[in-house]
Amino acid sequence: KNQVEQSPQSLIILEGKNCTLQCNYTVSPFSNLRWYKQDTGRGPVSLTIMTFSENTKSNGRYTATLDADTKQSSLHITASQLSDSASYICVVSPGNTPLVFGKGTRLSVIA
Amino acid sequence: GAGVSQSPSNKVTEKGKDVELRCDPISGHTALYWYRQSLGQGLEFLIYFQGNSAPDKSGLPSDRFSAERTGGSVSTLTIQRTQQEDSAVYLCASSLERQASYGYTFGSGTRLTVV
Repeated sequence: KNQVEQSPQSLIILEGKNCTLQCNYTVSPFSNLRWYKQDTGRGPVSLTIMTFSENTKSNGRYTATLDADTKQSSLHITASQLSDSASYICVVSPGNTPLVFGKGTRLSVIA
Repeated sequence: GAGVSQSPSNKVTEKGKDVELRCDPISGHTALYWYRQSLGQGLEFLIYFQGNSAPDKSGLPSDRFSAERTGGSVSTLTIQRTQQEDSAVYLCASSLERQASYGYTFGSGTRLTVV
């Protein structure tokens, strides 16, 4: 069964600190992996999209990594800001079948 | 429009009533998706439209759920005889096409509460 597991479920960090969110997946076939940020009351917004051949991709203070051999991805947030408080969702695309969504990590950045 | 627009943003309805949720995708996007997000759960695929092709309805949880997309643009998700377990945020997304290299653009969702 295609699944995406994320950890931790929730995380609280101090403003200015770094953090890393984890994503493990059992999705086959694999087309791409995406990280989304979802603010409360809003729809998810894409941060990064990585295909099989890409190991890392950055978007500002967000850096995603992908290890297609171990089927793991991480999202690293550098120098966190209060506005980074949101849910971060890992999504894997099997190609021409529906996306498989993780349940997300709820990040709270506090002053 | 500039983004995916959903209406209403919030809907409270009585158990047993029918509801209609609307999605206006980005102009020119041929692919449109409906997802459901229950509290503490990941997004659950409901239905997918691609151009004039027959929709992929494999995610609809019961025959009380239906959706249509008129003229390849606006879509309506209808839930008949609503139940309390239907309470969730219903998200619509659109994309240029169902290809790996394109991301989806999500709307802000409709929060449905069945009382």
